[in-house]
Amino acid sequence: QKEVEQNSGPLSVPEGAIASLNCTYSDRGSQSFFWYRQYSGKSPELIMFIYSNGDKEDGRFTAQLNKASQYVSLLIRDSQPSDSATYLCAVRYSGGYQKVTFGTGTKLQVIP
Amino acid sequence: DVKVTQSSRYLVKRTGEKVFLECVQDMDHENMFWYRQDPGLGLRLIYFSYDVKMKEKGDIPEGYSVSREKKERFSLILESASTNQTSMYLCASTPTGANTGELFFGEGSRLTVL
Repeated sequence: QKEVEQNSGPLSVPEGAIASLNCTYSDRGSQSFFWYRQYSGKSPELIMFIYSNGDKEDGRFTAQLNKASQYVSLLIRDSQPSDSATYLCAVRYSGGYQKVTFGTGTKLQVIP
Repeated sequence: DVKVTQSSRYLVKRTGEKVFLECVQDMDHENMFWYRQDPGLGLRLIYFSYDVKMKEKGDIPEGYSVSREKKERFSLILESASTNQTSMYLCASTPTGANTGELFFGEGSRLTVL
């Protein structure tokens, strides 16, 4: 059973702080890693993807991947109340089709 | 912009009814997916399709079937709805390619089975 695990939270951070979201996965054959943001009552939307070990930065967001330790993280700098949402980690496995498996999500609350 | 349209936002059905959930995408994507989302369980893959008339079971296919007669349309069928199929159903699509993976989601269909 391929698994993607996240702490469900809620994770509460003050406005302006760094929010750190973590995800572990069980299949070493995993190929691509994604972070989706889902506001309450809305569909998920992609905010970051990463394929290679190391860091990838996009504005206030940084995705970090460590394949040896099988974890991927998302850092949100200068957190804003508008960042309050559920963040879903997703993994695409190598070989076969474009199957993407999601974690259960971490709820982030940014306190003004 | 990619648009994935789910035909019904809210449905209420009775136990034993046959239910059709329709999904249409307008970006010529090869791959289409049906997920269900439940509190505490995240998104769970029901079925996916990588080409017309092709389908693959996801992680929780029991009680569901799918149909993909045209590239742009992917239907989820509940042959005999049960109360444990009450959920939010999300359709998604993505193109095939080396650096793909982004899923484009529809707005969701909230199904209640009484």
